Amino acid sequence: ILNVEQSPQSLHVQEGDSTNFTCSFPSSNFYALHWYRWETAKSPEALFVMTLNGDEKKKGRISATLNTKEGYSYLYIKGSQPEDSATYLCAFSANTDKLIFGTGTRLQVFP
Amino acid sequence: DTGVSQNPRHKITKRGQNVTFRCDPISEHNRLYWYRQTLGQGPEFLTYFQNEAQLEKSRLLSDRFSAERPKGSFSTLEIQRTEQGDSAMYLCASSFSGANGYTFGSGTRLTVV
Repeated sequence: ILNVEQSPQSLHVQEGDSTNFTCSFPSSNFYALHWYRWETAKSPEALFVMTLNGDEKKKGRISATLNTKEGYSYLYIKGSQPEDSATYLCAFSANTDKLIFGTGTRLQVFP
Repeated sequence: DTGVSQNPRHKITKRGQNVTFRCDPISEHNRLYWYRQTLGQGPEFLTYFQNEAQLEKSRLLSDRFSAERPKGSFSTLEIQRTEQGDSAMYLCASSFSGANGYTFGSGTRLTVV
């Protein structure tokens, strides 16, 4: 059974704080690691698709790193803003067929 | 193209009734996926299509669930004889051959009373 774990489960931070979340996944049969942001009443939005060990990707204040040998990825948000409040999901794929999601990290940023 | 569209957004039904949801994917995408999310969990894979062929079905999908994608465009997910445990958010996503991420719809929230 393939298991994807995310921590923490939830996080409350003040505006301006930087924060990071962890996603751990099986280190064998790795194909890709996806990060999504899911705001309430909206559709999950793709942030990053990462495939190479050591990959680092950045989109504005959000960045992610990938370690496929040890099976983890970090998502960083620099200078959190209230509009960053959302659930952040990571998903592992062993092939192009389907994604296995973690339970998500729920981020709340207070002004 | 306005992205992946799902209808209805919300559905409340009585236990034992049948329900059907529709998903319209991005037109260039050949793959279409159905996921289900229950409270406190991440989305769980249900099934996916490549064009009109249903290539994989999760063991989570009981015989009461059926999905179709008749012309390789939109898809429907039907649940027969709904049970309270079917209450969830049903998400549809599409992609081009599974690469470069998926585009999700906003989901259909099903409540079985």
